[in-house]
Amino acid sequence: AQKITQTQPGMFVQEKEAVTLDCTYDTSDPSYGLFWYKQPSSGEMIFLIYQGSYDQQNATEGRYSLNFQKARKSANLVISASQLGDSAMYFCAMRDRLRGNTGKLIFGQGTTLQVKP
Amino acid sequence: ETGVTQTPRHLVMGMTNKKSLKCEQHLGHNAMYWYKQSAKKPLELMFVYNFKEQTENNSVPSRFSPECPNSSHLFLHLHTLQPEDSALYLCASSGPEEKDRKSSNQPQHFGDGTRLSIL
Repeated sequence: AQKITQTQPGMFVQEKEAVTLDCTYDTSDPSYGLFWYKQPSSGEMIFLIYQGSYDQQNATEGRYSLNFQKARKSANLVISASQLGDSAMYFCAMRDRLRGNTGKLIFGQGTTLQVKP
Repeated sequence: ETGVTQTPRHLVMGMTNKKSLKCEQHLGHNAMYWYKQSAKKPLELMFVYNFKEQTENNSVPSRFSPECPNSSHLFLHLHTLQPEDSALYLCASSGPEEKDRKSSNQPQHFGDGTRLSIL
């Protein structure tokens, strides 16, 4: 069965420093996609970055990058040069290819990130 | 116009009331979803619709009744809810996968959610 694990309930980082949010996953499907979302206190879920299981390179989107280690089944999110506006809840999620684009998106428990000035 | 719009943003209702949550997407997507997010819990998928057809019901109690009249609109009709149904209800949509990709790459785009409180 698919499973996503985020072991850090809460994290603190100093403004302008980098931070890594951990995510490990478990699936028996060779084709899957990994997603990171940001949820500010207002509630909306904001898509940040995507990594496909067959992608050769780690995904990057601006200050966000994904440290994808397929053999270890980990997809950690790295936020560089943290800003106060990065304070939010961060969710790792996974979907397998077999169900196509209506496949079930499995979410982790989330990590609350607080950026200190 | 934002991509996925949910109304109302907040809803307080009694256990005997009937209300509906509305979701509208302007992204041309074919799939729409309802999620429930309770405090300190991961998001739970409730329903999936693809081209107006329901493709998944994740063992949701019948007091939640979804309706998808077209690919752009999704409703969640609420009736005789319980206090434990108080949560943030999120709607999402996604588009078709790219044919030449091996991995499922289309993100789901979420609305701002409806924060529901049951008295």
